[in-house]
Amino acid sequence: DAGITQSPRHKVTETGTPVTLRCHQTENHRYMYWYRQDPGHGLRLIHYSYGVKDTDKGEVSDGYSVSRSKTEDFLLTLESATSSQTSVYFCAISEDSGTTWFGPGTRLTVT
Amino acid sequence: QKEVEQNSGPLSVPEGAIASLNCTYSDRGSQSFFWYRQYSGKSPELIMFIYSNGDKEDGRFTAQLNKASQYVSLLIRDSQPSDSATYLCAVPASKIIFGSGTRLSIRP
Repeated sequence: DAGITQSPRHKVTETGTPVTLRCHQTENHRYMYWYRQDPGHGLRLIHYSYGVKDTDKGEVSDGYSVSRSKTEDFLLTLESATSSQTSVYFCAISEDSGTTWFGPGTRLTVT
Repeated sequence: QKEVEQNSGPLSVPEGAIASLNCTYSDRGSQSFFWYRQYSGKSPELIMFIYSNGDKEDGRFTAQLNKASQYVSLLIRDSQPSDSATYLCAVPASKIIFGSGTRLSIRP
């Protein structure tokens, strides 16, 4: 298995609070991604990174920000959590060929 | 038109039969294609990739690519209950683009 970990694996938080999810890789891959997955919507890209300090928005980036200060870490921040951000969040990494591996996921509940 | 389209299913196939999953894509310049399997409550896992027109076989799985018609398919022979999952088609571009997935159910 690709060396990807996500933390926390589960989190319950209240509306309006900031939340940070962490993705850590040991593969030294350049590309890292944050997806959310909701019933009926499949995987939707939030933000992605193509190198340290190089990030770009995906299709559902509103309300989210990211940072990548080291190759191995990609952080996703919900600036002020809302109930619509209750979801399962997957981090992924890929090599230049496009082959992509996923982390185990974080289940976030916003009450 | 979505960039990658899949029939959401569910697709129900009897055990031992061939399951056929299809994916169409819009970018004629796409060169490589991936199939992922996702069990309920788990993360997607890569099961096949294909770069060239034609068939690629790996055990009970065969990926088929037709660039002229812009579709890629996944055949699962001798379907087993453990094949019941959602199958996602993915096309690398500037970022990886996933289809919404087809839910496959193998009935005993």
